[in-house]
Amino acid sequence: DTGVSQDPRHKITKRGQNVTFRCDPISEHNRLYWYRQTLGQGPEFLTYFQNEAQLEKSRLLSDRFSAERPKGSFSTLEIQRTEQGDSAMYLCASSLGLAGTETQYFGPGTRLLVL
Amino acid sequence: DQQVKQNSPSLSVQEGRISILNCDYTNSMFDYFLWYKKYPAEGPTFLISISSIKDKNEDGRFTVFLNKSAKHLSLHIVPSQPGDSAVYFCAASPAGGTSYGKLTFGQGTILTVHP
Repeated sequence: DTGVSQDPRHKITKRGQNVTFRCDPISEHNRLYWYRQTLGQGPEFLTYFQNEAQLEKSRLLSDRFSAERPKGSFSTLEIQRTEQGDSAMYLCASSLGLAGTETQYFGPGTRLLVL
Repeated sequence: DQQVKQNSPSLSVQEGRISILNCDYTNSMFDYFLWYKKYPAEGPTFLISISSIKDKNEDGRFTVFLNKSAKHLSLHIVPSQPGDSAVYFCAASPAGGTSYGKLTFGQGTILTVHP
């Protein structure tokens, strides 16, 4: 068990460019979550998957954001036409998906800076 | 609206003494509560959790107390060690229904343990 991994760890891009982040969850985990954290705040929920199905999306996830989890394994988060306000740490977490004892394990995050 | 609040941005404690971190919540649908520790440039690390059917849970030096009527939880670290210096987040989620597992985080408390 290598834990949750995320790639890349850091991304610097220019405003208007598209970026894509990848998350590999713990292998037996059914649920995969994306969060965003800005300076001085706690992580904020963006979206989550149960296997390959995307079950909920936050209002924070504008139309420029899209997430996928093909085959219920790794997930990608794409941001199109990036804006400076997208600069943040993007965190991925996974869990077994057991109601009542839902402990999520986080990856190291991808830090995005939009210039 | 901030459904989970950590009103103390920082806490400073001497090594060997007790650290007490507090968290308040407003959403009565929250049934499962977790504490995470976060070092700079890393993702949050799970510490300890508690279900609403309990009022206390212990794991080594870490104890979490839950007061449902007051909608308040606290994390006690005894004895505190310099390696405990980090940002601590409390998080909450419903234990069932369609939104179980969707974590709502507080803003975090920076704990500094002095040797």
